[in-house]
Amino acid sequence: GENVEQHPSTLSVQEGDSAVIKCTYSDSASNYFPWYKQELGKRPQLIIDIRSNVGEKKDQRIAVTLNKTAKHFSLHITETQPEDSAVYFCAASIWGNTPLVFGKGTRLSVIA
Amino acid sequence: GAGVSQTPSNKVTEKGKYVELRCDPISGHTALYWYRQSLGQGPEFLIYFQGTGAADDSGLPNDRFFAVRPEGSVSTLKIQRTERGDSAVYLCASSLGGRKTDTQYFGPGTRLTVL
Repeated sequence: GENVEQHPSTLSVQEGDSAVIKCTYSDSASNYFPWYKQELGKRPQLIIDIRSNVGEKKDQRIAVTLNKTAKHFSLHITETQPEDSAVYFCAASIWGNTPLVFGKGTRLSVIA
Repeated sequence: GAGVSQTPSNKVTEKGKYVELRCDPISGHTALYWYRQSLGQGPEFLIYFQGTGAADDSGLPNDRFFAVRPEGSVSTLKIQRTERGDSAVYLCASSLGGRKTDTQYFGPGTRLTVL
């Protein structure tokens, strides 16, 4: 089955700097890669997703890149703000309503 | 509109007891998922419903865990003879289904503590 590895497990950045979180997956059949943000005690919330027919997607300060050949994808947050502090999870699945396989999460701290 | 809701938000029980956790998906969503999240980990898949039927229950850890969705809307996760290792946050998610989209929207979770 699918296995998703996520790095780093913790990340601290100064406000205004960029943050990058990386994930790798094992199943070449996976073609849908969402990213969720989870604040303490709250539900995971989708922040951006990408399907394997594109290599990059951007939404304001957030972007995701995908390398299908290497089976890895990354989340990029620019101009970080204290409210970006949270745990971020990457996930992978096969498009068409199948279960998500999550990474173990990255705790991002943005220091003001 | 209303998001995914789950009840109760917290459940404390004693080892060996039976518990039921409820999930109300977003109206019109035919796909429903249950995940379990242990402290410091990502959500782990338990079971997936498409409509009333369990399309994939490969994530259920053992036969003490069972879930139903009799009318294709509300779902109940049932855990028999609870063990301390069952303590976790149980998350429910729903999506439109029918290959329209894969976006899964999560509920707030039920924090289960088995003493």
